[in-house]
Amino acid sequence: QLVESGGDLVQPGGSLRLSCAASGFTFSSWSMSWVRQAPGKGLEWVSYLSSTGTIFYAESVKGRFTISRDNAKNSLFLQMNSLRVEDTAMYYCATGGSYGCWGQGTLVTVSS
Amino acid sequence: DIQMTQSPSSLSASVGDRVTITCRASQDIRNDLAWHQQKPGKAPKRLIYDASSLQSGVPSRFSGSGSGTEFTLTISSLQPEDFATYYCLQHNSYPRTFGQGTKLEMK
Repeated sequence: QLVESGGDLVQPGGSLRLSCAASGFTFSSWSMSWVRQAPGKGLEWVSYLSSTGTIFYAESVKGRFTISRDNAKNSLFLQMNSLRVEDTAMYYCATGGSYGCWGQGTLVTVSS
Repeated sequence: DIQMTQSPSSLSASVGDRVTITCRASQDIRNDLAWHQQKPGKAPKRLIYDASSLQSGVPSRFSGSGSGTEFTLTISSLQPEDFATYYCLQHNSYPRTFGQGTKLEMK
């Protein structure tokens, strides 16, 4: 099971830290990703962190977002800085390379 | 980046119909393709991975096929709970890319 938290209403230029709490599987052995969905739009991959520390970012968030994990706490994080209106979306964490398990999502709204 | 082109973007069908959705990759992705189902207000759910492997717990009326650049998701006999939006995802390389989605509506 995956449970996201940390979504909120934030002004453009602001910051947020999303969390994803994992349970029911060996979290440290799994790669994890963040995927987002703007209101009424399709799915967009955001970032990936492997079990061994390999990281990838979508071009649209590179330099602004940072993915990390704490295996001792079975948690995945997404630090989001310099937020833009276009970052408004539901943010999901998901497991593995093709997202076998998804959280319920946490809503980030960037607006003045 | 690998572009994923999904068709149709919307589809009207009836309970009991056989439905096929197609996804085309802009380059060879071997069999590294997944299909996800999303219902309104809910998180996506993986149905198929590696092009044709059925996710545990997913009904056998769902099937996937294809390799290389052409892939299909088939629902053999539509059930009321299958009306949803379907997305393909290439899991061959980064950045991961999704198709634009197919909204399956009741006729």
